[in-house]
Amino acid sequence: DTAVSQTPKYLVTQMGNDKSIKCEQNLGHDTMYWYKQDSKKFLKIMFSYNNKELIINETVPNRFSPKSPDKAHLNLHINSLELGDSAVYFCASSRHGTSRVNEQFFGPGTRLTVL
Amino acid sequence: KQEVTQIPAALSVPEGENLVLNCSFTDSAIYNLQWFRQDPGKGLTSLLLIQSSQREQTSGRLNASLDKSSGRSTLYIAASQPGDSATYLCAVSHGRGTSGSRLTFGEGTQLTVNP
Repeated sequence: DTAVSQTPKYLVTQMGNDKSIKCEQNLGHDTMYWYKQDSKKFLKIMFSYNNKELIINETVPNRFSPKSPDKAHLNLHINSLELGDSAVYFCASSRHGTSRVNEQFFGPGTRLTVL
Repeated sequence: KQEVTQIPAALSVPEGENLVLNCSFTDSAIYNLQWFRQDPGKGLTSLLLIQSSQREQTSGRLNASLDKSSGRSTLYIAASQPGDSATYLCAVSHGRGTSGSRLTFGEGTQLTVNP
């Protein structure tokens, strides 16, 4: 069973559209993240949620809105898509309060292409 | 602001060779350091996690060391195999609490092991 899963794997859409990416983890973790990997393969954090509460919000346009319905899910909604949003988006999760605090496990990624 | 640098950016070696990948970070106040592997078009696989109080971690043919005071980590791969070909990413985590959970990534070392 996949520990951290994302849907869809590929997303091709027109500029100006609104789209969502879903993430689910079955590891029992309490913290989830969204990272963006740009065309140069550089990974940068966007958001982090702990127990459904937003704790990290990097300098990301407010067109991006994360939503965590429960600890196992963190979705990313993007409004008014722009060409520069094309990237691979990775979801990750971790558990706090253990000896391996902050060890993060990543999903397979969602490749978003905005035309 | 934490910056993570990985050297070299790319490395090509013959099968069987032992090799070292380098990672340096500017702020030594880290909580842990994680090495990942990324195959083309895939997600990140966690290889090793070293907590700030540790000096090294080993898993199979992989050994990672951490010198927190000098801001350096190395990933040693013994007896390299073609299946080791991938991009290797180093990432540091700041702080124990959930607010410090973000990972700051280096740009990666693209490794090719030739048969």
